[in-house]
Amino acid sequence: QSALTQPASVSGSPGQSITISCTGTSSDVGDYNYVSWYQQHPGKAPKLMIYDVSNRPSGVSNRFSGSKSGNTASLTISGLQAEDEADYYCSSYTSSRTWVFGGGTKLTVL
Amino acid sequence: QVQLVQSGAEVKKPGASVKLSCKASGYTFTSYYIHWVRQAPGQGLEWMGIIDPSSGYTGYAQKFQGRVTMTRDTSTSTVYIELSSLRSEDTAVYYCARGGWAYSSSRFDYWGQGSLVTVSS
Repeated sequence: QSALTQPASVSGSPGQSITISCTGTSSDVGDYNYVSWYQQHPGKAPKLMIYDVSNRPSGVSNRFSGSKSGNTASLTISGLQAEDEADYYCSSYTSSRTWVFGGGTKLTVL
Repeated sequence: QVQLVQSGAEVKKPGASVKLSCKASGYTFTSYYIHWVRQAPGQGLEWMGIIDPSSGYTGYAQKFQGRVTMTRDTSTSTVYIELSSLRSEDTAVYYCARGGWAYSSSRFDYWGQGSLVTVSS
């Protein structure tokens, strides 16, 4: 199972919006609404930000939103803040009854 | 509050095995799947497998088939992962994460603090 494809890095200024893409195949992202997104700060464990494509866990800011179209899922962060600077990973359930992560995207807040 | 507390760091020689633990608290242990995910230094997240604490059913990533074993002890609400035939590429932080009540749930909502495994001769 190959990793999902994410851009290595994205950047934005405070207050702006950015979108991180996550491209898979018809055997994972395209076939299931079981896509999640994680935020990871250096030296910390990942934190769930979005699950089942577009659901936000309790306590996660509504500045974070998720969507999916075909084989590509997306995470949008609006009103960028300094504390959003982190690595972001997508994950998807697959037809092999396994999970696969994306390679990760480093978000820089300028 | 939900907590997953993992065992401490390990240093192993190539060819050895390592067994890590993940003790759950704050919820009904048998109601949620547990996943294991690892992260090599400077690298991304890699899914290793899943265990159903209720039945003991396991599912492993193909990459680790034959080398990984996940078990659980319901009396102590603890899950274990054992990785054998260690090589330098297995040097990583190993995380346990609580999944959903359904096998396919994408909701890995609570994570352990991670256990660093270093494989070096």
